[in-house]
Amino acid sequence: EPEVTQTPSHQVTQMGQEVILRCVPISNHLYFYWYRQILGQKVEFLVSFYNNEISEKSEIFDDQFSVERPDGSNFTLKIRSTKLEDSAMYFCASLRQGSYNEQFFGPGTRLTVL
Amino acid sequence: GESVGLHLPTLSVQEGDNSIINCAYSNSASDYFIWYKQESGKGPQFIIDIRSNMDKRQGQRVTVLLNKTVKHLSLQIAATQPGDSAVYFCAEKGAGGTSYGKLTFGQGTILTVHP
Repeated sequence: EPEVTQTPSHQVTQMGQEVILRCVPISNHLYFYWYRQILGQKVEFLVSFYNNEISEKSEIFDDQFSVERPDGSNFTLKIRSTKLEDSAMYFCASLRQGSYNEQFFGPGTRLTVL
Repeated sequence: GESVGLHLPTLSVQEGDNSIINCAYSNSASDYFIWYKQESGKGPQFIIDIRSNMDKRQGQRVTVLLNKTVKHLSLQIAATQPGDSAVYFCAEKGAGGTSYGKLTFGQGTILTVHP
């Protein structure tokens, strides 16, 4: 069964450093998302991406964040200058055309900012 | 702003019992309400959705009920199994966005099934 994959599974970084979180969505999906989940809290939407551009972004997704689909398979989230409060689990998700709600989530990348 | 929240943070049941997980929502303009399951160490997994113009929808061992009068959503799991142990999130997809838009998740209920 096809699945969304994410790398790395755990990333530790120093405050102020740049990180890139990588995702490989399911191959025939067209809509891509990043969510985050701070430990013990609910899953929060960050950004959606379709047709090589951002469709929607939340208040969390400020100028420190960017997304890119550099080729036909990868979807990346970059945080330019990490803050302590960026520590969270980051989930990538993808959705196929015609399916409104069944977003397929990856296993997540745990980001720890020291 | 709008929010989706849960009444009970934890629920413990015996294997074979039926489970009911509840959720309150505040955005009555939402198009869809969705239940996701998150097992330990994994991302959320879609269970079932219901459109806002429906009251009930059934899946395999699961039923979602929507009461728009009191803005309440529930997930019923029949004959609960140990493999159902997970965190269950309700989510809504709001009106006014795209059909493929963001999900807004609630806080989550931890379901523990005892053998």
